[in-house]
Amino acid sequence: EAQVTQNPRYLITVTGKKLTVTCSQNMNHEYMSWYRQDPGLGLRQIYYSMNVEVTDKGDVPEGYKVSRKEKRNFPLILESPSPNQTSLYFCASSYRGTITYEQYFGPGTRLTVT
Amino acid sequence: AQSVTQLDSHVSVSEGTPVLLRCNYSSSYSPSLFWYVQHPNKGLQLLLKYTSAATLVKGINGFEAEFKKSETSFHLTKPSAHMSDAAEYFCVVSSTSGGSYIPTFGRGTSLIVHP
Repeated sequence: EAQVTQNPRYLITVTGKKLTVTCSQNMNHEYMSWYRQDPGLGLRQIYYSMNVEVTDKGDVPEGYKVSRKEKRNFPLILESPSPNQTSLYFCASSYRGTITYEQYFGPGTRLTVT
Repeated sequence: AQSVTQLDSHVSVSEGTPVLLRCNYSSSYSPSLFWYVQHPNKGLQLLLKYTSAATLVKGINGFEAEFKKSETSFHLTKPSAHMSDAAEYFCVVSSTSGGSYIPTFGRGTSLIVHP
């Protein structure tokens, strides 16, 4: 089954404790991205990757890191989480990073930072 | 620069009545436009997309949208609402700039369907 998977689905952590949220897709997509969803704000892009070893900042990159060493994986790293990073996070992938193709979304990771 | 405005944060309809979710956009380039649906505790799923072909686009579950360049709108409609349509809906405008692909999401419209 074609899908985007994220782990963990739920995470509660404390301020300053490094964490990684994994994202994997099995569709051989070139483009991958991370979003955060906050009430009343819609989805805002954190980082995106046009292909392996090619990443760039989205609208709200502060406090986050990413890497794209393999085509299928795109982990999101919070080196020192803070309470304002409490949010619902979505990973997405697309066949290519062009306007023609839709994105496929993972199920989301709900992160709480205390 | 580009932006997208979903004109209603909440829309309430009765089952069996028409649905209209409004979306206006602005873009410096010829954009593509998408509607996604998010059911509670789920990820987003594509409903339909416009990519410069036919201006009237049909999607899944009986939804359709019309791209109107003169009005910079891409409103989502359905003739008859079903209880299962209750969800959050997002309008997205996408363009490319300097080789980068930039999707911009609206803030979402919550569709409430009454029996």
